[in-house]
Amino acid sequence: KQEVTQIPAALSVPEGENLVLNCSFTDSAIYNLQWFRQDPGKGLTSLLLIQSSQREQTSGRLNASLDKSSGRSTLYIAASQPGDSATYLCAVLNAGGTSYGKLTFGQGTILTVHP
Amino acid sequence: GAVVSQHPSWVICKSGTSVKIECRSLDFQATTMFWYRQFPKQSLMLMATSNEGSKATYEQGVEKDKFLINHASLTLSTLTVTSAHPEDSSFYICSARDIADSYNEQFFGPGTRLTVL
Repeated sequence: KQEVTQIPAALSVPEGENLVLNCSFTDSAIYNLQWFRQDPGKGLTSLLLIQSSQREQTSGRLNASLDKSSGRSTLYIAASQPGDSATYLCAVLNAGGTSYGKLTFGQGTILTVHP
Repeated sequence: GAVVSQHPSWVICKSGTSVKIECRSLDFQATTMFWYRQFPKQSLMLMATSNEGSKATYEQGVEKDKFLINHASLTLSTLTVTSAHPEDSSFYICSARDIADSYNEQFFGPGTRLTVL
């Protein structure tokens, strides 16, 4: 059964810092990996989607990498801002096993960027 | 593009009543939609997969008679929480997969906050 783990569970940084969020998964049979942002009481906002054949994706100050063979992904946020404060979720779309075709989510990293 | 809406955004109901939540894909067609629930400070847990024109597939531990799912068209899936109880209070989120999208991306709705008194 696929398991997705995110480290750290919470992170507090001063504004302007570059930071890295980590995601690991146990089964490398995936179609893609997606990073989401969730604000309190709100739905999910998709940030980046990396196909299994890709190594990284970039959008503005965000860069996500994927190492499928080792079951790891990182989300890099450059020059963090208070508006980046949110919960960041990692999810993999499973390509095998009992979770075929379904997303498995990590528990999230709660990010706080203080002025 | 790829917008998913949910209605209502929040609902409060009395214990024992039924509540229907709608999930719509506004600018694409979706043969498959997914229903998740999220408890406070926890991640999303998949409840069921909704397939247009056929029965939904429920995850282990989810009562299909309590959480009725109907996917009658390519743009609408509904989740009905029957005989709701306080323990059903949660944040329900749906997602939809564009049938024309080869990347298998799921697009998420804004969620529905259910509070059962």
